[in-house]
Amino acid sequence: QKEVEQDPGPLSVPEGAIVSLNCTYSNSAFQYFMWYRQYSRKGPELLMYTYSSGNKEDGRFTAQVDKSSKYISLFIRDSQPSDSATYLCAMGPSDMRFGAGTRLTVKP
Amino acid sequence: DVKVTQSSRYLVKRTGEKVFLECVQDMDHENMFWYRQDPGLGLRLIYFSYDVKMKEKGDIPEGYSVSREKKERFSLILESASTNQTSMYLCASSLIPFTDTQYFGPGTRLTVL
Repeated sequence: QKEVEQDPGPLSVPEGAIVSLNCTYSNSAFQYFMWYRQYSRKGPELLMYTYSSGNKEDGRFTAQVDKSSKYISLFIRDSQPSDSATYLCAMGPSDMRFGAGTRLTVKP
Repeated sequence: DVKVTQSSRYLVKRTGEKVFLECVQDMDHENMFWYRQDPGLGLRLIYFSYDVKMKEKGDIPEGYSVSREKKERFSLILESASTNQTSMYLCASSLIPFTDTQYFGPGTRLTVL
């Protein structure tokens, strides 16, 4: 079993939809949870950073962490074509573990 | 604006060749990382360095070595390239290892024939 599981998709939604991206993990030592966005032919860039459990909101993006279920989510409201990218979850400390990435396409 | 640059975007090499991938960061970060990214497997850590001349093995160091002679530069070396090393290679740097934002370069797509 992988330490971090993420559905690779692809996921295709119409513009304006609410998108839910998820990861599950097995290591209860993870305390830091991140979401990176990777556009085609680019390196990943940090989108959201959460420490421990709870929610964090930044504009149209909301990150949720449920440590009891070992489950993290990224919600995108009012999705735009510019949100089309691969989204990777990542978690630490001591080792950084990345999910495989979910490829999202938002269609106009 | 923070920047991590990688020497090549695309590289084609032959089996058995020695390959050098260079990474430079301008953020004065102590920590630098090399990952490979493969479909369905995500990013896997090859090596990281937390200081000049210091290195630590990641999850998949076999067939690779690294060099960090200067703080801003971290090189990945494939001593004898093999076809299973065809991949996207990503370099990253951070202020604090594993709990801090990692800043990634654009990646090098390496093909070994």
